[in-house]
Amino acid sequence: DGGITQSPKYLFRKEGQNVTLSCEQNLNHDAMYWYRQDPGQGLRLIYYSQIVNDFQKGDIAEGYSVSREKKESFPLTVTSAQKNPTAFYLCASKLDSGNTIYFGEGSWLTVV
Amino acid sequence: GQQVMQIPQYQHVQEGEDFTTYCNSSTTLSNIQWYKQRPGGHPVFLIQLVKSGEVKKQKRLTFQFGEAKKNSALHITATQTTDVGTYFCAGRTSYDKVIFGPGTSLSVIP
Repeated sequence: DGGITQSPKYLFRKEGQNVTLSCEQNLNHDAMYWYRQDPGQGLRLIYYSQIVNDFQKGDIAEGYSVSREKKESFPLTVTSAQKNPTAFYLCASKLDSGNTIYFGEGSWLTVV
Repeated sequence: GQQVMQIPQYQHVQEGEDFTTYCNSSTTLSNIQWYKQRPGGHPVFLIQLVKSGEVKKQKRLTFQFGEAKKNSALHITATQTTDVGTYFCAGRTSYDKVIFGPGTSLSVIP
């Protein structure tokens, strides 16, 4: 089936540790995104990439890093510099010429 | 900066009642999309509106795009428990940037 796969779905980490969230899509989409969602709140854009080997900061990029070495993959690293990393992280993608954004099922990160 | 707001933030309705959420942008939009996120789930695309004054229907859901292309509304007729979730609007600006609203969380009391 075509879609966006995020892993892991649930992740617990100790404060001070970096953690990487995986996002893979087989939709042949050009653009990929990472959003953060806090309980009862909307979506905030962390990073996005419109083409391989290129990415731009979103509204809340501090404390996060990404890479886009392959079209299908857009991993997000939550670094120890992120002051409040506990949240629900959503990866998304869309065709460059398209408008609809498709979301993965999300990853719940809890930092203790 | 460019903002997309939604009201209300929360809405509790009795099953069978109607529900409306409003989306307002600080700037003119190229198009607007609506997404639904069920509790514990991820946002799923519902519809896109492009033309000024456009109205689209999906069964009990009616979507409107304002004449000035700065606001939109989603109306659900005779809500059902399956309508529970958070409804997000997402506006595409002239700079090809997509801005999500904060969402309206709908609870339906059976």
